[in-house]
Amino acid sequence: DVKVTQSSRYLVKRTGEKVFLECVQDMDHENMFWYRQDPGLGLRLIYFSYDVKMKEKGDIPEGYSVSREKKERFSLILESASTNQTSMYLCASSTPGQGPYGYTFGSGTRLTVV
Amino acid sequence: AQRVTQPEKLLSVFKGAPVELKCNYSYSGSPELFWYVQYSRQRLQLLLRHISRESIKGFTADLNKGETSFHLKKPFAQEEDSAMYYCAQRIYNQGGKLIFGQGTELSVKP
Repeated sequence: DVKVTQSSRYLVKRTGEKVFLECVQDMDHENMFWYRQDPGLGLRLIYFSYDVKMKEKGDIPEGYSVSREKKERFSLILESASTNQTSMYLCASSTPGQGPYGYTFGSGTRLTVV
Repeated sequence: AQRVTQPEKLLSVFKGAPVELKCNYSYSGSPELFWYVQYSRQRLQLLLRHISRESIKGFTADLNKGETSFHLKKPFAQEEDSAMYYCAQRIYNQGGKLIFGQGTELSVKP
């Protein structure tokens, strides 16, 4: 019954590494989103995409990039990982307009940068 | 910029007590608002949305445009309600993105 799948539950990477976080959805949703979740800060939007090969910056895009080559897959890239990017990363998807159920979230990837 | 504010980081109540989790938004038009919940070790999931005017797991939330609030309420808290709760607002002119509040951790003690 899993609809939004994030490839890794836990990741540990070294400072300076290039990191790829993968997200796949099987609901044929147009919109996909990447958030990071930090205690006391809630969820903050990094990037989103409303179509294949389209991307828009969210509120905290610095240090990140994204790729959407296929409708079902949305990748988050940390070009050069830093310790302040240690966080829980959540992927979500939705239909455009007033979808009745809002977003569907993945189970998250907890990234630790050492 | 639109903001969603949840003033309480932690709310601790006893089982059977009433619960109110506060949420204020800044958008002046006709907002679409949601409450999401994340139970321990589970993914974030939709609890309710204001358009539906529904009650889920005994929770309700009323949109008050005058106070720009969307507080989540339950008359009698249960231990299984312990979770992290996020208020969110959909922004339609920006791809339908959701902006979230900081979250409130609800702890219901026996």
